[in-house]
Amino acid sequence: QKEVEQNSGPLSVPEGAIASLNCTYSDRVSQSFFWYRQYSGKSPELIMSIYSNGDKEDGRFTAQLNKASQYVSLLIRDSQPSDSATYLCASSQGGYQKVTFGIGTKLQVIP
Amino acid sequence: DTGVSQDPRHKITKRGQNVTFRCDPISEHNRLYWYRQTLGQGPEFLTYFQNEAQLEKSRLLSDRFSAERPKGSFSTLEIQRTEQGDSAMYLCASSLEAGMNTEAFFGQGTRLTVV
Repeated sequence: QKEVEQNSGPLSVPEGAIASLNCTYSDRVSQSFFWYRQYSGKSPELIMSIYSNGDKEDGRFTAQLNKASQYVSLLIRDSQPSDSATYLCASSQGGYQKVTFGIGTKLQVIP
Repeated sequence: DTGVSQDPRHKITKRGQNVTFRCDPISEHNRLYWYRQTLGQGPEFLTYFQNEAQLEKSRLLSDRFSAERPKGSFSTLEIQRTEQGDSAMYLCASSLEAGMNTEAFFGQGTRLTVV
């Protein structure tokens, strides 16, 4: 079982809709969670981090964490064609532990 | 530019040759990671440093791979006797370790092609 699981997609949404990206993790001691956006041929770019249960909002992005269900999600409101990219979920136990990535979900926003 | 810097951006090498990549982290960051990414996959952990100490090395990493971070500043990743399966994007990231906050920021990557 992979430590961080994501559906590879593609997930297609129309422009202006809400895109919902999901991630589950297997390690119950994971403390820190991250969402990265990666455009084709480019390196990952950090867009959100979340450390406690609940929602965290930043502009059009909302990250949600449920440690009891070992579930992390990212909502993108008012999706734009420029949001089309692969979204990587990552987790860490914190402290001296490494950051582990999922396979990424490819998002396509259709104009 | 105060971000993570990697050099070179692209490298084409013949099978069997040695290659070395360099990573300069964000200046105040004490943690440095190396990842490898192939098409359609997420970044795969290779190794990481806390200052100059190499804290963990992936069991998937063969003895042909070695990484150093002298003086806790820049890092190098060397691949000896390259194989076609080593072709990938090699990503470096750095973070400032502060409790649970381990936000890691990536460089542009080095794309290696072994022919």
